[in-house]
Amino acid sequence: EAQVTQNPRYLITVTGKKLTVTCSQNMNHEYMSWYRQDPGLGLRQIYYSMNVEVTDKGDVPEGYKVSRKEKRNFPLILESPSPNQTSLYFCASLPSGGSYNEQFFGPGTRLTVL
Amino acid sequence: TQLLEQSPQFLSIQEGENLTVYCNSSSVFSSLQWYRQEPGEGPVLLVTVVTGGEVKKLKRLTFQFGDARKDSSLHITAAQPGDTGLYLCAGRGSARQLTFGSGTQLTVLP
Repeated sequence: EAQVTQNPRYLITVTGKKLTVTCSQNMNHEYMSWYRQDPGLGLRQIYYSMNVEVTDKGDVPEGYKVSRKEKRNFPLILESPSPNQTSLYFCASLPSGGSYNEQFFGPGTRLTVL
Repeated sequence: TQLLEQSPQFLSIQEGENLTVYCNSSSVFSSLQWYRQEPGEGPVLLVTVVTGGEVKKLKRLTFQFGDARKDSSLHITAAQPGDTGLYLCAGRGSARQLTFGSGTQLTVLP
């Protein structure tokens, strides 16, 4: 089954404790991205990656890092989480040159930073 | 940064009523997508509109892209409780980035 998976689905942590949210897709997609969703703000893009070793900032990159060492994985790293990073996070992927109908979202990771 | 304003933010209606959700921007988008999101899940694509003035129908849902490709609307006819969810519009500008609207939370009461 074609899918985007994220782990963990739920995470409660404390300020300053480094964490990583993993994202993996099995569709051989070149493009992957991370969004955060907050009430009344819709989804805002954090980082995106056009291909392996190619990453770029989205609209709200502050406080986040990403890496793309393999095509299938695109982890989101919070080096020193703060309470304002409490949010619902989504990973998404789509193929380069593919139609606009082919973007897939993961199930989401709900992060709470105390 | 391109912005998309979505209205209304919340909508609660009775089963059988019609409704329209609007998505507006001052920016031109190469395409616009509508998603529906259920609690605990990621957004799921409903439709993509590409051409200015384009109208697409998906059963009781009608999507329209404005002539200038700056705005879009979603009209639901005879809403049903199964239509309840968060509806998001998203415009594609440069590269492959999507700009999302703030969402419309629709509740259809039986």
